[in-house]
Amino acid sequence: DAEITQSPRHKITETGRQVTLACHQTWNHNNMFWYRQDLGHGLRLIHYSYGVQDTNKGEVSDGYSVSRSNTEDLPLTLESAASSQTSVYFCASSDIKRSGTGELFFGEGSRLTVL
Amino acid sequence: AQSVAQPEDQVNVAEGNPLTVKCTYSVSGNPYLFWYVQYPNRGLQFLLKYITGDNLVKGSYGFEAEFNKSQTSFHLKKPSALVSDSALYFCAVRVQAGTALIFGKGTTLSVSS
Repeated sequence: DAEITQSPRHKITETGRQVTLACHQTWNHNNMFWYRQDLGHGLRLIHYSYGVQDTNKGEVSDGYSVSRSNTEDLPLTLESAASSQTSVYFCASSDIKRSGTGELFFGEGSRLTVL
Repeated sequence: AQSVAQPEDQVNVAEGNPLTVKCTYSVSGNPYLFWYVQYPNRGLQFLLKYITGDNLVKGSYGFEAEFNKSQTSFHLKKPSALVSDSALYFCAVRVQAGTALIFGKGTTLSVSS
């Protein structure tokens, strides 16, 4: 079955280190998204992509970057991790052409702790 | 700016009773509205959506939602709650096809036996 996978599921890092969270989907969806989930804030959009070589900033993009070199992957990079980036990160994908309305399909999440 | 509000952080109901989880939205243009559910340590799962047409939409696990344009609301409902419905529920909106979803802060539903 097609799916969306995130890795690692759990990571502890130190302030200032570079961290990359991987997201891989096998649905061949054009659209991919990264959200962070924090208590009291719900899900907030970090970055998104509508296709290869396309990337866009979301609501809370400072300190994060993404790249889209193929359809399947959208890695999220924290250039210099900060304690404020301790969160649970969710990757999601959608395909307007198939669903018509583009509901999102989510990965299981990556819990990042920055010490 | 587009926004979604879930006015209740937590909703408590007894098993067998009807449940309602509230959602209101603020967008310019016609909204695409969604409900998602999240179980502990899991990703979000799609429940249902409203795009156009009948204001009452039915979704997974016996849930339904009513779109009310005049009140800009999209409340989630279920006639008879189950303990297994206990989870975190998110309302979301998209203004036009192709854009990302804007999520509310979530409502924790607790169903007691």
